[in-house]
Amino acid sequence: QQQVKQSPQSLIVQKGGISIINCAYENTAFDYFPWYQQFPGKGPALLIAIRPDVSEKKEGRFTISFNKSAKQFSLHIMDSQPGDSATYFCAASEASGTYKYIFGTGTRLKVLA
Amino acid sequence: KAGVTQTPRYLIKTRGQQVTLSCSPISGHRSVSWYQQTPGQGLQFLFEYFSETQRNKGNFPGRFSGRQFSNSRSEMNVSTLELGDSALYLCASSISGTENGYTFGSGTRLTVV
Repeated sequence: QQQVKQSPQSLIVQKGGISIINCAYENTAFDYFPWYQQFPGKGPALLIAIRPDVSEKKEGRFTISFNKSAKQFSLHIMDSQPGDSATYFCAASEASGTYKYIFGTGTRLKVLA
Repeated sequence: KAGVTQTPRYLIKTRGQQVTLSCSPISGHRSVSWYQQTPGQGLQFLFEYFSETQRNKGNFPGRFSGRQFSNSRSEMNVSTLELGDSALYLCASSISGTENGYTFGSGTRLTVV
């Protein structure tokens, strides 16, 4: 019940295309869902986050779509660029008391020039 | 604004030894978390500290311990190192917890031989 399932494991997209990464969870107590981007040799960097009271959040080319009833959320990268090539992690946490993220297994994105 | 600083960046230790890793959070951040990242297990939560108190601990053996100082700096210690402890150890800080989004450092790459 504590897992966050992420797919696909890897993704190859042409420059200018849309990259879509999906995550699913079981624990209905989760109420904060961040996405992190990690480049080789670096720590994960917070990209965008959403709470269950909204169905979509957009920041620049990055959009989170959230489906509370299905317990699924996804990251859409519009107009994907070679510089977006990185590993992306979804995560989930409970606001009340656990003080930890449960991370998905990661998606390695490669954007072809 | 300085980010999360982790030292050292790289460490090579021998089985049976112990190691101490250090983390300086972003100024004003009082919550510090530690994660272990490996190719096989992904990002796994180790522990979280706030105002020198451990608020949560992950499912790791007692060989893994940590502490936080009054200036919010944190250390983690691994005793009796095993080959399986080889990993990237990431420190992250936040103003108060998961709901603010964590900022990660670049990590300490520990290799146990």
